[in-house]
Amino acid sequence: GAVVSQHPSRVICKSGTSVKIECRSLDFQATTMFWYRQFPKQSLMLMATSNEGSKATYEQGVEKDKFLINHASLTLSTLTVTSAHPEDSSFYICSARTTGGDTDTQYFGPGTRLTVL
Amino acid sequence: GQNIDQPTEMTATEGAIVQINCTYQTSGFNGLFWYQQHAGEAPTFLSYNVLDGLEEKGRFSSFLSRSKGYSYLLLKELQMKDSASYLCAVWDSNYQLIWGAGTKLIIKP
Repeated sequence: GAVVSQHPSRVICKSGTSVKIECRSLDFQATTMFWYRQFPKQSLMLMATSNEGSKATYEQGVEKDKFLINHASLTLSTLTVTSAHPEDSSFYICSARTTGGDTDTQYFGPGTRLTVL
Repeated sequence: GQNIDQPTEMTATEGAIVQINCTYQTSGFNGLFWYQQHAGEAPTFLSYNVLDGLEEKGRFSSFLSRSKGYSYLLLKELQMKDSASYLCAVWDSNYQLIWGAGTKLIIKP
């Protein structure tokens, strides 16, 4: 199946610093990429939807100036957590939607565990 | 509002069969997904149903009835590694994934 990668897989940073997370679709072009956040023992919460070359659409309650999303190409999207604080510590997961032919589904990256000290 | 219901937890025996149900009420429907998620890991894709009926993939099968807003995931010949959470998710009319809370499946020897 299609592969989506994320980098880094794990990051620890100090409060007030910014962290960038990359999401890449390795063997397909993603029309749309999604960023999710997951707290322990909870389901995934959609943060934003990004389409290549256009601004991301943020879900209600998600600060767009704090969680910057750049969808530079059909295979790369980045999420930057700016001025991170301990409450931003979470598991961030991206997914990419592929369409065309018989395939129309959404594949997930392995996730990035962010710990803010 | 949009709602997806699935049992919180299920227990089954190694080698047996288990069926995890999912019912949904969403604004529009463009397909239903089942994902498997092991603790501490991202979800992995299991199945996608957009038409009514049963789709079989090895030990896993997924069924959909759009008129009833109902799906199930059937796992056969259970193995210990199948212990995980199983997430049901629906693509609504805007292709937004609406998530169920997940079913934690515990496999006992």
